Amino acid sequence: QKEVEQDPGPLSVPEGAIVSLNCTYSNSAFQYFMWYRQYSRKGPELLMYTYSSGNKEDGRFTAQVDKSSKYISLFIRDSQPSDSATYLCAMSSGSRLTFGEGTQLTVNP
Amino acid sequence: SQTIHQWPATLVQPVGSPLSLECTVEGTSNPNLYWYRQAAGRGLQLLFYSIGIDQISSEVPQNLSASRPQDRQFILSSKKLLLSDSGFYLCAWSGRAGSSYNEQFFGPGTRLTVL
Repeated sequence: QKEVEQDPGPLSVPEGAIVSLNCTYSNSAFQYFMWYRQYSRKGPELLMYTYSSGNKEDGRFTAQVDKSSKYISLFIRDSQPSDSATYLCAMSSGSRLTFGEGTQLTVNP
Repeated sequence: SQTIHQWPATLVQPVGSPLSLECTVEGTSNPNLYWYRQAAGRGLQLLFYSIGIDQISSEVPQNLSASRPQDRQFILSSKKLLLSDSGFYLCAWSGRAGSSYNEQFFGPGTRLTVL
């Protein structure tokens, strides 16, 4: 069993939709949670960083962590075509990250 | 501000040839440095990480090696490339002021094709 499981997608939504991206994990030692956005043929870009259960909001993005269920989510409100990318969840119990395999998102104009 | 550079951006090499990929970080000191490989449509596999000059840990046994000759320089090498070494190689760093060491920042990547 993989330590981090991510819904593989691909996911295709119309512009303006609310997008929900999810990851589950099995290692209860994970305490730090991140979401990265990766455009095609580019390096991942850190979007959100959280270290506690609950919600963290940044503009149109909300990261949610539920440690009791070992489940994290990233919500994108009012999605835009520029949000089309692969989204990677990542988590850590120290300085090394474990990544999900990514969800490819396409937002159609 | 801090920036991370990788070169070359793209590389096509024959099987059995050597490899040298370079990564440098500007605007910070004593960063943690990381090399990852990303296969097509897959997540990131950690290859090496370094907490200081000449302090390198290997995560995956393979024909690759890493060196850190200077504080902000990280080099990925191979003496003889295999077909399976093809992929997207990413360098990352952590330790940005005001950020946790868990937050890693990635370079633009090198796309390696071994033929």
